[in-house]
Amino acid sequence: GQNIDQPTEMTATEGAIVQINCTYQTSGFNGLFWYQQHAGEAPTFLSYNVLDGLEEKGRFSSFLSRSKGYSYLLLKELQMKDSASYLCAVLDSNYQLIWGAGTKLIIKP
Amino acid sequence: DGGITQSPKYLFRKEGQNVTLSCEQNLNHDAMYWYRQDPGQGLRLIYYSQIVNDFQKGDIAEGYSVSREKKESFPLTVTSAQKNPTAFYLCASRGLAGEIDTQYFGPGTRLTVL
Repeated sequence: GQNIDQPTEMTATEGAIVQINCTYQTSGFNGLFWYQQHAGEAPTFLSYNVLDGLEEKGRFSSFLSRSKGYSYLLLKELQMKDSASYLCAVLDSNYQLIWGAGTKLIIKP
Repeated sequence: DGGITQSPKYLFRKEGQNVTLSCEQNLNHDAMYWYRQDPGQGLRLIYYSQIVNDFQKGDIAEGYSVSREKKESFPLTVTSAQKNPTAFYLCASRGLAGEIDTQYFGPGTRLTVL
């Protein structure tokens, strides 16, 4: 079966750095996406990795290791508005997105 | 502004009634998707459509139906056969964000069946 694992919830302090991990086992791999979803709202696209390594975009970075079936999203200089759920999704061999359950990130002052 | 709209944001229905959720996009995207989101679970694919007049079942299509008569519209009907319809429903279309082929989501409809 296909499986994507993320921690259910994480807590961090405003101004700090947090790393959200995602491990996956899917039938094929055509890329990994990270989305941000505020409560009751639509997911919004954050990042995409298809090759191993780190992709940096402002305060957010995403890392991929295909051999380990592992990715992480790194958020720096945390702000209160970063409180949200972060969804990891893998594009499988049929080009369908397989979604993790999401990680709820709580930012404390 | 281009985007995806879903209406209404909140919907209440009595058990046994069919209900149709609307999804409209003006992004000129060919592919559209319907997902269901439940607490503690990932998004689950209900139906998707790659092109007008064609659609495919996703992982949890039972109790749902769709149509794709126009490129801009992809309505979802939740029928009385769906055993547990209360959920957050998200519509998406697929297009380019720069050079990345990704999905864009509507604001969602929260359906509560009483």
